[in-house]
Amino acid sequence: DGGITQSPKYLFRKEGQNVTLSCEQNLNHDAMYWYRQDPGQGLRLIYYSQIVNDFQKGDIAEGYSVSREKKESFPLTVTSAQKNPTAFYLCASSIAASGSGPYNEQFFGPGTRLTVL
Amino acid sequence: AQSVTQLDSQVPVFEEAPVELRCNYSSSVSVYLFWYVQYPNQGLQLLLKYLSGSTLVKGINGFEAEFNKSQTSFHLRKPSVHISDTAEYFCAVKDGGTSYGKLTFGQGTILTVHP
Repeated sequence: DGGITQSPKYLFRKEGQNVTLSCEQNLNHDAMYWYRQDPGQGLRLIYYSQIVNDFQKGDIAEGYSVSREKKESFPLTVTSAQKNPTAFYLCASSIAASGSGPYNEQFFGPGTRLTVL
Repeated sequence: AQSVTQLDSQVPVFEEAPVELRCNYSSSVSVYLFWYVQYPNQGLQLLLKYLSGSTLVKGINGFEAEFNKSQTSFHLRKPSVHISDTAEYFCAVKDGGTSYGKLTFGQGTILTVHP
């Protein structure tokens, strides 16, 4: 089955530590995205990547970093500079980040809940 | 930049009653519109989408939505809800056209279906 996997489902981190969240897709999609979800705030875009070896900041990129070395993988690192990292993180992908409508439909992974202790 | 407003943060309803979840977006020449559903501690699943054509869009699980350009709205409806429809629902909008545009989400509406 094609889809998006995120691991781990739950993650605990001590303050001051960096942590990396995994996102893998086998949909052969060019574009991938990371969102942060907090209660009552919807989803906010952290980073996105339109193609391998390329990525751009979203609305709340401070304290986060990404890489896109392979088409199927888009890991997110939450650094110690992120002041309030406790949240639910969602990864998504789409055929493309531009182009006509059908290319823009985003498919989501199951999410990773990060808790900073 | 686009903005999306979901007018109700919580909607309680009894089983088998009809429901409408409201979504308004800021004006644009053309838009793509989406409704997603999220069950607790899970990712988002696409319910339906408007890309072009008929303004009445039917989706999964018996949901439908109507695109109203003059009112910049895309309200989600279901004529008879089930307990299993209890979830959070997100409206999302993207500017139309072929260039890159961010998918902007509303704040979400929690639908609770009571027996």
